[in-house]
Amino acid sequence: AQSVSQHNHHVILSEAASLELGCNYSYGGTVNLFWYVQYPGQHLQLLLKYFSGDPLVKGIKGFEAEFIKSKFSFNLRKPSVQWSDTAEYFCAVKEGNTGKLIFGQGTTLQVKP
Amino acid sequence: NAGVTQTPKFQVLKTGQSMTLQCAQDMNHNSMYWYRQDPGMGLRLIYYSASEGTTDKGEVPNGYNVSRLNKREFSLRLESAAPSQTSVYFCASTRGLTDTQYFGPGTRLTVL
Repeated sequence: AQSVSQHNHHVILSEAASLELGCNYSYGGTVNLFWYVQYPGQHLQLLLKYFSGDPLVKGIKGFEAEFIKSKFSFNLRKPSVQWSDTAEYFCAVKEGNTGKLIFGQGTTLQVKP
Repeated sequence: NAGVTQTPKFQVLKTGQSMTLQCAQDMNHNSMYWYRQDPGMGLRLIYYSASEGTTDKGEVPNGYNVSRLNKREFSLRLESAAPSQTSVYFCASTRGLTDTQYFGPGTRLTVL
């Protein structure tokens, strides 16, 4: 079965610091990859996704992620975080043709003003 | 266009009670999903419905049942609630199996 691993469980940064959140998955076939964000008290929202093509994907709010097939990774980056980026971030892999999403454990990001 | 809606937003049950969580989407999506979210474990799939009239088990189906009432609605039932089912439950939908999933606002359930 597929699994998704997010290396950082809790990250604390100051505003304007750069962010990189790690995500690795176990599936060796064709994958669809996602990053979702959950702001405090809100539901999950899609940040960005990779289905095919350019492995560097740009999402909303200045986030981007790079798909590195050889490393089974899909790390999330942002050059300069803001206080409003405080949230929980989830990496997810869509499994084959079932449409099922396999989520990582989540990373809580706290940005200090 | 409300997207994915869930009711109730909050619920407290006693052990052994039953209840149904409701989910509806107005995006004409074919597939619908139920997840539970627990601290440190991300979201785990309980059940899903790839299309109207079909349902399948996910990763953690024990203690739950589902009904795909029609294309819009997908309900999750707890027949005999247990404290281990204390969680936040999210419903999601997608147009097709390869498309992006859209999530509802969640139901926070506490079982005493």
